[in-house]
Amino acid sequence: AQKITQTQPGMFVQEKEAVTLDCTYDTSDPSYGLFWYKQPSSGEMIFLIYQGSYDQQNATEGRYSLNFQKARKSANLVISASQLGDSAMYFCAIPYSGGSNYKLTFGKGTLLTVNP
Amino acid sequence: DAGITQSPRYKITETGRQVTLMCHQTWSHSYMFWYRQDLGHGLRLIYYSAAADITDKGEVPDGYVVSRSKTENFPLTLESATRSQTSVYFCASRTGIYTEAFFGQGTRLTVV
Repeated sequence: AQKITQTQPGMFVQEKEAVTLDCTYDTSDPSYGLFWYKQPSSGEMIFLIYQGSYDQQNATEGRYSLNFQKARKSANLVISASQLGDSAMYFCAIPYSGGSNYKLTFGKGTLLTVNP
Repeated sequence: DAGITQSPRYKITETGRQVTLMCHQTWSHSYMFWYRQDLGHGLRLIYYSAAADITDKGEVPDGYVVSRSKTENFPLTLESATRSQTSVYFCASRTGIYTEAFFGQGTRLTVV
């Protein structure tokens, strides 16, 4: 069965600094995608970035990048040059293993606070 | 407008009442999902659907019923609401296994 772990319930970072949010997972599927979402205090779920397990390069989207280490089953989100608007809950997600791999399972999230 | 919308956004109901949360998407995505979000639990899958008339249970289905007679609609019904079902409910849809899921705005349900 798939499992996804975000070990940091809360993180603090100074504005303009970089921060890494951890995500480890376990899956029996040889091919999968990993997703990161942001949930600001307003509550909506915002898709940030996607990494395919067979992608040769780590994914990047603007200030967001993934430190993807497939052998360690780790896909940490790196936010560069943090902004006050980055304060939010962040979730990583992977598909369920096996035939129902269109379902996503989510970690419990990391609450990031960006300090001025 | 294109997208995925949930209604109502906020709902207060009494224990024992039936309540239905609506979800509508305009993209004709095949896959649709209902999650609940509770503090300390992240998002947990309640029910999902691969296509019209195909639904299945997720992690926490007890007390909930779904239907999907049309591709674009995926209502979630609480048959007899309990206080433990107080939560924020999210509907989501996606086109395939390598694409992101798009979420509705969420419905905050309070059972008193």
